Amino acid sequence: KNEVEQSPQNLTAQEGEFITINCSYSVGISALHWLQQHPGGGIVSLFMLSSGKKKHGRLIATINIQEKHSSLHITASHPRDSAVYICAVMNRDDKIIFGKGTRLHILP
Amino acid sequence: EADIYQTPRYLVIGTGKKITLECSQTMGHDKMYWYQQDPGMELHLIHYSYGVNSTEKGDLSSESTVSRIRTEHFPLTLESARPSHTSQYLCASSDYYLSGKLFFGSGTQLSVL
Repeated sequence: KNEVEQSPQNLTAQEGEFITINCSYSVGISALHWLQQHPGGGIVSLFMLSSGKKKHGRLIATINIQEKHSSLHITASHPRDSAVYICAVMNRDDKIIFGKGTRLHILP
Repeated sequence: EADIYQTPRYLVIGTGKKITLECSQTMGHDKMYWYQQDPGMELHLIHYSYGVNSTEKGDLSSESTVSRIRTEHFPLTLESARPSHTSQYLCASSDYYLSGKLFFGSGTQLSVL
């Protein structure tokens, strides 16, 4: 079993829909990252969380340390949000463990 | 703005060649990482460094080596490239003690014939 599990693996939605991507982890962590990777492009860090909630534009990330779960939400989704979204946790040894990613496709 | 650079962007070489993939960052970050990513797959940690003269192997078994003689420079060397090394190699750094964000280079797409 992977230490970081993301769901769904693939998600197709219509423009304007509210999107939720989930991440569950099984190890003790010091921080959790949400990353975005466009096809053929590099990886961009969206959020780093150790507790609570963060918001940046249409993106919201939450984390529940007790339940070992984080969610990434996208409000008013747009085709340019189409990308792979990756959850990564930093464990207590400062090593980063990546999820397999969620492939999001927003249809116009 | 984050500045982390990888060269070359693309590299096609023959089996048995020695190659060095370059990674430099101008942000003064202590933590740097090398990841390998096959198409549509997750990232795998190859090597990491927490500072000058500090390097550790990651989870993915690799015939590569790294060095960290200067804070800003973290090159990855393959002594004898094989077709199984064909992959994308991503370098990253982290300002863990400030924002904690990860910054990634654009990657090197390596093809070994």
